[in-house]
Amino acid sequence: EDKVVQSPLSLVVHEGDTVTLNCSYEVTNFRSLLWYKQEKKAPTFLFMLTSSGIEKKSGRLSSILDKKELFSILNITATQTGDSAVYLCAANGVNNNDMRFGAGTRLTVKP
Amino acid sequence: DSGVTQTPKHLITATGQRVTLRCSPRSGDLSVYWYQQSLDQGLQFLIQYYNGEERAKGNILERFSAQQFPDLHSELNLSSLELGDSALYFCASSPTGNSNQPQHFGDGTRLSIL
Repeated sequence: EDKVVQSPLSLVVHEGDTVTLNCSYEVTNFRSLLWYKQEKKAPTFLFMLTSSGIEKKSGRLSSILDKKELFSILNITATQTGDSAVYLCAANGVNNNDMRFGAGTRLTVKP
Repeated sequence: DSGVTQTPKHLITATGQRVTLRCSPRSGDLSVYWYQQSLDQGLQFLIQYYNGEERAKGNILERFSAQQFPDLHSELNLSSLELGDSALYFCASSPTGNSNQPQHFGDGTRLSIL
C-alpha cells in the first residue's frame, strides 16, 4: 500500500536554529514529491521535486529528493517564529492522480 | 491567497442531515480535488474532477458525491451525516490535473456534526 511517513511528528526549536524535516515515501510509479506549509487554514505550496539530487531553494527554505532511497528533506535555516506551522509532505504517482499525504511535522519556533 | 474559494467557511448541522460544500478553482485551472482532514486521519484524498468529468477516486464514502459544473466550480455533497464526518474539507485545483503540477488549496470548510 502506498504510504508517506514524516518525522519527527513534532519539533520545538528557538529562533535562529536550523531544522531538517524528513519524509519517506512508498508510492507506485512515483512522479513527484511536494512540500506544503499549513498554518491555520489552507496548505500553502512550497516545493515540488521530481528529480533526485537537485536542490530547490526559496529564501531560508530548501528541499532535496533522493529517489534511490525514497526520501526527501526540507531544511529551514535561521528559523523565525513565523515558520511555526505544520509541514506536510505529499507524494504523487503517475497512474493515479491522488496525492498521498504524510501526517505532517508540527514545528514550533520559540522566540 | 491561493485563488481557490470555498464556501461556506463553517457549517454546523445534525446527524442524518445533508450538506453541500462549494468550491471555485483558481482562474484557468480545469481540475478540482476534494480532501478531508480530520485530527486522527490527516489529509485524505476524496475525489478529483477534470473539466467536468470524474478522473480519480480516493477514500470517498458512498454517502458522499461530487460534481464539477460547466463553469468549473465544484460541489461536494455529504448525506446521512454521522458524527465522524466532522472534519475540515479542502478543495484544491491545478491547471490540467497532471501529477507533475502542484495543487493549490482553498481555506477549507469546517463541518461540525452535532
